This record gives sequence, C-alpha cells and structure tokens, in this order.
Amino acid sequence: GAVVSQHPSWVICKSGTSVKIECRSLDFQATTMFWYRQFPKQSLMLMATSNEGSKATYEQGVEKDKFLINHASLTLSTLTVTSAHPEDSSFYICSAREGPSVVAQHFGDGTRLSIL
Amino acid sequence: RKEVEQDPGPFNVPEGATVAFNCTYSNSASQSFFWYRQDCRKEPKLLMSVYSSGNEDGRFTAQLNRASQYISLLIRDSKLSDSATYLCVVNINTNAGKSTFGDGTTLTVKP
Repeated sequence: GAVVSQHPSWVICKSGTSVKIECRSLDFQATTMFWYRQFPKQSLMLMATSNEGSKATYEQGVEKDKFLINHASLTLSTLTVTSAHPEDSSFYICSAREGPSVVAQHFGDGTRLSIL
Repeated sequence: RKEVEQDPGPFNVPEGATVAFNCTYSNSASQSFFWYRQDCRKEPKLLMSVYSSGNEDGRFTAQLNRASQYISLLIRDSKLSDSATYLCVVNINTNAGKSTFGDGTTLTVKP
C-alpha cells in the first residue's frame, strides 16, 4: 500500500533554531501534500497545502514566513520551522494523496518537535 | 459551529461490547467521508471510507445519512486493541481539496 515517510521522527533543540522536516511519498507521486500540527489532546490542525512546483497555500493564522514549505519534487515536501520557540513544540504530521482523484490521505509517522 | 462535529467521549466499554460513534457535518455539498483511527502519539491511519449504501469491514460498519448529514461507525465485539481515537473526516470535493477532520472520539476498551 501507499507509504509516506517522514523524517526526523523526534527533534529536540534550543530556542531560535530552525528545524527542517521532510515528507516523502515512497511508492507514488504526490502532487499535493498536507502539513498538520497537533497539540496534546487536541485535533489535527491543517497548516498548509503543499503543491508541487508552486507556492504552498496556508491556512488562516499560519505564518508563511515562520513555516516555510517547499515541494520541489513529486515525492518530497519539506516544512522548515524557522527560529523555533517553545510554543512551536508540537506533533507535526504530513499527508499525501496517491493521485488527484484519490481523496483518502496517507499520513507520515509524524515528527515530535520539542523546543527547549 | 464546527464543520465536522464528534462526541469527544471518552467511551469506556468492556471487551466484547458494541459501540457506535456519530459524526455530523455542516456542509451539504460534502462528497467524501472517512473514518481514521489514531493511536496515542501516532499518526492517523485510514480505517475505512464511508459510502451512501453503507459498508462493512469485519467488525466495523460505517454508514452515511446524507439527509441528516451524519455518518456513523459501529464496532462490534470490541477488542482491547480497538482502544484509540476515531476521527471523522469529510471532503467537499472528490478531486483534490483539503479534508476537514473532526476532533475525534476516544474509545477505551477494558478487559
């Protein structure tokens, strides 16, 4: 079945550091990927829609200069949390669809980000 | 009002019990519906799609009521391993477009 790989799975770093998270579709091409954030005991919050070869579409309230998204190929999207602070600590999850007509999403394993 | 609403629970049931979750959605133009399962500190995994005719996968049955704008998930003969958070997901478009997730319903199955 479709597999989405996310790396790293866990990051602990100091405040002010920028952190890059990779999301790869391993056995299919994903023109669209999604980035979510989930705080403890809360629901998934869509941050942005990543489109291959074009700019990402950010949800209201998500700072595009803070959360940089690059979708340079059909199998890779990256999310960079710039100058991360403790309030950015969260569980970041990406997802992808197998094709434009496939609605169900496959999720990466998630990245647990802890900013000290 | 949220676009997708679920009873957060928690639902605490004994092994072998039957439990049902409901989910309501506000946009009548919604086209695609899913149930996902999320274990603690893990990513969501697709459990099943939901079709107008209803569909069954083993102990799990999903149904859609377009007129009342709700979907349901029925779990029969609950297992300890069914303990998780169940997320209701709705899409307006069948092609592309973002999904809207409910907040999830937490199920704990006890021995």
